[in-house]
Amino acid sequence: GENVEQHPSTLSVQEGDSAVIKCTYSDSASNYFPWYKQELGKGPQLIIDIRSNVGEKKDQRIAVTLNKTAKHFSLHITETQPEDSAVYFCAASRGNTGNQFYFGTGTSLTVIP
Amino acid sequence: DVKVTQSSRYLVKRTGEKVFLECVQDMDHENMFWYRQDPGLGLRLIYFSYDVKMKEKGDIPEGYSVSREKKERFSLILESASTNQTSMYLCASRRIPGTQYFGPGTRLLVL
Repeated sequence: GENVEQHPSTLSVQEGDSAVIKCTYSDSASNYFPWYKQELGKGPQLIIDIRSNVGEKKDQRIAVTLNKTAKHFSLHITETQPEDSAVYFCAASRGNTGNQFYFGTGTSLTVIP
Repeated sequence: DVKVTQSSRYLVKRTGEKVFLECVQDMDHENMFWYRQDPGLGLRLIYFSYDVKMKEKGDIPEGYSVSREKKERFSLILESASTNQTSMYLCASRRIPGTQYFGPGTRLLVL
């Protein structure tokens, strides 16, 4: 089955700096890679996703890059703000053909004002 | 907006009790999922359902069962609660080929 590894497990940055979270996956058939943000006491919420037919996707201060050859994908948050503090999860799925999503173990991001 | 609701935010039960966790989604999604979330372990899939009355075991189904009698509702059942089932339980739903949408979670404490 799929194995998703996520690093780092904790990350502290100064407000305004950038944050990068990295994930690797093992199943070359995975083709859909969402990122979720989980705030304290809430369920994970989708913040951005990417499919394997593109290498990069951007939404305001958030971007995701995908390297299919190396089987890794990364979340980039620029100009971080205190409200970006949360736990972030990456996931991998076969999209159309797979029901299961495989999650990383999460990164706790703290943005220091 | 997709809405996934869970019947309880917090639940305290005694060892040996039968526990029902309910999840409802309002977007006619085919797939529904139950996960448990524990510190350092991320999200682990317990069961999922790809259609009414259909279910598949996930990675950690032992001690749990599920029921999906209607498309919008997916129930997780702890047949005889044990202390090692103390956890955060998350329900999610999905329309293929889209992403999963999560409920707010139920924090279960088994004494």
